[in-house]
Amino acid sequence: EIVMTQSPATLSVSPGERATLSCRASQSVSSKLTWYQQKPGQAPRLLIYGASTRATGIPARFSGSGSGTEFTLTISSLQSEDFAVYYCQQHNDWPLTFGGGTKVEIK
Amino acid sequence: QVQLVESGGGVVQPGGSLRLSCAASGFTFSTYAMHWVRQAPGKGLQWVAAMSYDESHTYYADSVKGRFTISRDNSKNMLYLQMNSLRVEDTAVYHCAKDPATMGQGVILYNWFDPWGQGTLVTVSS
Repeated sequence: EIVMTQSPATLSVSPGERATLSCRASQSVSSKLTWYQQKPGQAPRLLIYGASTRATGIPARFSGSGSGTEFTLTISSLQSEDFAVYYCQQHNDWPLTFGGGTKVEIK
Repeated sequence: QVQLVESGGGVVQPGGSLRLSCAASGFTFSTYAMHWVRQAPGKGLQWVAAMSYDESHTYYADSVKGRFTISRDNSKNMLYLQMNSLRVEDTAVYHCAKDPATMGQGVILYNWFDPWGQGTLVTVSS
């Protein structure tokens, strides 16, 4: 099983600042990496697939990068609605696995 | 718009069974692969099961293999998850989710999830 590790567990950021979230895979997943955003009481929402392709309707301030085992989600200028938990997920091999999440909170 | 609505959750004793349903609308359900993903209270996400649009391919997490069965009724736009021999550790909100893979693309499953339903809570407790 491919283990996905996200860091940090919690990220405290001021509105308007940049946030950089990391995701590491225990073995290469090529570019088969997705990012989701989850707000309290809501279902997760797809942000990025294929490591760097924004899903439909996702603002340009969200960007993804990386390949192999190291991936990054960057939020260029945090808006109030961006404070949430972010999960990465590999879709390269079975079983599909998620990282433990990074909570982005208001500083 | 695409809508996925789960139902069938509840409280069940260890060893018991439950059948979850997911009603799909807003897209041609019969042409898309589907998944179940769960989230234990206050915890992260865990993929559970997947099925291709035509039921020809099914996949399961090791933790549920042999106990859970994913199925679908394309004539009713419904996805199901039959859960048997339930354990305390199966307690979670269960979400159904749509896979982007559709009939005719030459890809069975892309294995990411968009969108997700709100989920139904399953509590396994004595």
